[in-house]
Amino acid sequence: DAGVIQSPRHEVTEMGQEVTLRCKPISGHDYLFWYRQTMMRGLELLIYFNNNVPIDDSGMPEDRFSAKMPNASFSTLKIQPSEPRDSAVYFCASTSGASDGELFFGEGSRLTVL
Amino acid sequence: KQEVTQIPAALSVPEGENLVLNCSFTDSAIYNLQWFRQDPGKGLTSLLLIQSSQREQTSGRLNASLDKSSGRSTLYIAASQPGDSATYLCAVRKGHSGAGSYQLTFGKGTKLSVIP
Repeated sequence: DAGVIQSPRHEVTEMGQEVTLRCKPISGHDYLFWYRQTMMRGLELLIYFNNNVPIDDSGMPEDRFSAKMPNASFSTLKIQPSEPRDSAVYFCASTSGASDGELFFGEGSRLTVL
Repeated sequence: KQEVTQIPAALSVPEGENLVLNCSFTDSAIYNLQWFRQDPGKGLTSLLLIQSSQREQTSGRLNASLDKSSGRSTLYIAASQPGDSATYLCAVRKGHSGAGSYQLTFGKGTKLSVIP
């Protein structure tokens, strides 16, 4: 299996622009998670899905952030409009509910908002 | 609210030394605990997962222990090598059943440097 695949790996944009991050989970995994990592706050859970349905989005910072999972093999995290404080590494992770819950991470998308 | 603490934040050891990384958590009602490794600019790689009913797990030179009642876990690395240099994070999963139990709370990690 190719693992969790994220794109883009790096994104530099200007304040006010829309940013879309993409994730393909491991085939067969029914849970998908979006995390954000910063030096100050470490890893924070933004939202997670089970069987393509959002279960908990309490970690989403504000209305500028939205996430979708239209099917079992694709999810997006959108920021509109972006702000400099959104600069971080965004990770997608997946796991199977039938397993012991071991979490598998993608390589992350490093976002810089100027 | 669960809080996970890892001390020290950074550790430097000479090659060949055995070392212990620490993780503490405030709520002992956990389902499991995972140790991850993160290399610079990379994602997290799962190293070991310990279920709440287990005391320890071993993989090669790595041994993770769990003392749920005291809210502590340790990651023991034997005969450290320069290739072990990375940031090590622990994460605990909530103990109750249901959809919310899949949330992990992460520590901020210990950055390990193994000096040749």
